[in-house]
Amino acid sequence: DGGITQSPKYLFRKEGQNVTLSCEQNLNHDAMYWYRQDPGQGLRLIYYSQIVNDFQKGDIAEGYSVSREKKESFPLTVTSAQKNPTAFYLCASSIGTVPGNEQFFGPGTRLTVL
Amino acid sequence: AQSVSQHNHHVILSEAASLELGCNYSYGGTVNLFWYVQYPGQHLQLLLKYFSGDPLVKGIKGFEAEFIKSKFSFNLRKPSVQWSDTAEYFCAVNARDTGRRALTFGSGTRLQVQP
Repeated sequence: DGGITQSPKYLFRKEGQNVTLSCEQNLNHDAMYWYRQDPGQGLRLIYYSQIVNDFQKGDIAEGYSVSREKKESFPLTVTSAQKNPTAFYLCASSIGTVPGNEQFFGPGTRLTVL
Repeated sequence: AQSVSQHNHHVILSEAASLELGCNYSYGGTVNLFWYVQYPGQHLQLLLKYFSGDPLVKGIKGFEAEFIKSKFSFNLRKPSVQWSDTAEYFCAVNARDTGRRALTFGSGTRLQVQP
């Protein structure tokens, strides 16, 4: 059963701590993306990666970091430098590197900073 | 940089009413356009997309959207909504000739259909 998995579903973090969100896909997609969803603001792009060992900053990359060591995995680290990390985080993937291909989304991780 | 505006933030309709959700984008070049839907507790999923050709595109569950290039719009329509259409709807755009791979999303429209 192909798809995108994100874990955990809910995550709580104390201020000042880094936390890593997992994203795995078995769709054999080349491109992967991280978005942040806030009420009334839609989805905003944090980072994206077109191929293994390469990634680019999105519109709101400050306070976040990523790695892409394997095609199927694209973990996101929310660092203590992120001023307002409480949000719903969505991972997505798409075929190839053609711009604008349909993106498939995971179920999301809701991060709450206490 | 491209941006997407969805002017209706919250829409409440009765079952069988017609639906039109507005979407406007700001980019003068060639675009790919999408509507995604997020049902309560479910993944964001694709409703329909426009890449080229017939500007009237049909999607799943009876939805359709019309691309009007002169108005920079891609409005979503459905002639008769059902209670099960209650969800949040997102318009998204990709500017094909910018090299940007990711999508730019609008702020979303929350649709509530009353039985």
